[in-house]
Amino acid sequence: DTAVSQTPKYLVTQMGNDKSIKCEQNLGHDTMYWYKQDSKKFLKIMFSYNNKELIINETVPNRFSPKSPDKAHLNLHINSLELGDSAVYFCASKEGGYLDTQYFGPGTRLTVL
Amino acid sequence: RKEVEQDPGPFNVPEGATVAFNCTYSNSASQSFFWYRQDCRKEPKLLMSVYSSGNEDGRFTAQLNRASQYISLLIRDSKLSDSATYLCVVKRNTPLVFGKGTRLSVIA
Repeated sequence: DTAVSQTPKYLVTQMGNDKSIKCEQNLGHDTMYWYKQDSKKFLKIMFSYNNKELIINETVPNRFSPKSPDKAHLNLHINSLELGDSAVYFCASKEGGYLDTQYFGPGTRLTVL
Repeated sequence: RKEVEQDPGPFNVPEGATVAFNCTYSNSASQSFFWYRQDCRKEPKLLMSVYSSGNEDGRFTAQLNRASQYISLLIRDSKLSDSATYLCVVKRNTPLVFGKGTRLSVIA
């Protein structure tokens, strides 16, 4: 029944490693997002995909690469992890058209040591 | 200046109290406005949209003043379960822009 799911929920890794976070939504939505919420709780958009196509790419290091194999999935791959990447990463989805309500996944808490 | 500004709080109020949160936004081209709620270590969830005429949902009332670029949320008869962070959210073009949130603790 989970509308937007993310795996893993927790990720602890060493600096320099490469890791991926997966997101899936079963709502049939066209648009999906990745957000980063840092230690100061500021929630900021990173990427937006509409029907598998990238439509927003905010100022994010190119170590971060999103990938959407189909419109129900939006994965986030991070290369060469840095300490400053430690944060909670939220996936979200939205219906198409004028409806603005976004549905968030439970978040992935990434800790880089 | 941040695009969406909120008083971070915390607001500590007794059960039954009325509490109001304010939010200002800097981009006059903003099109839509929302309040989201985020519980500790959980994801944000939509609480309510905010309309120019003001709108109410049970104990919650939202107001928008486009001229002053100001949004408010009023919670009446606070419950313990209202304890959370309330995020003011503004939409300009496609992405949502989130404020840092105002933390509310309702105390028995």
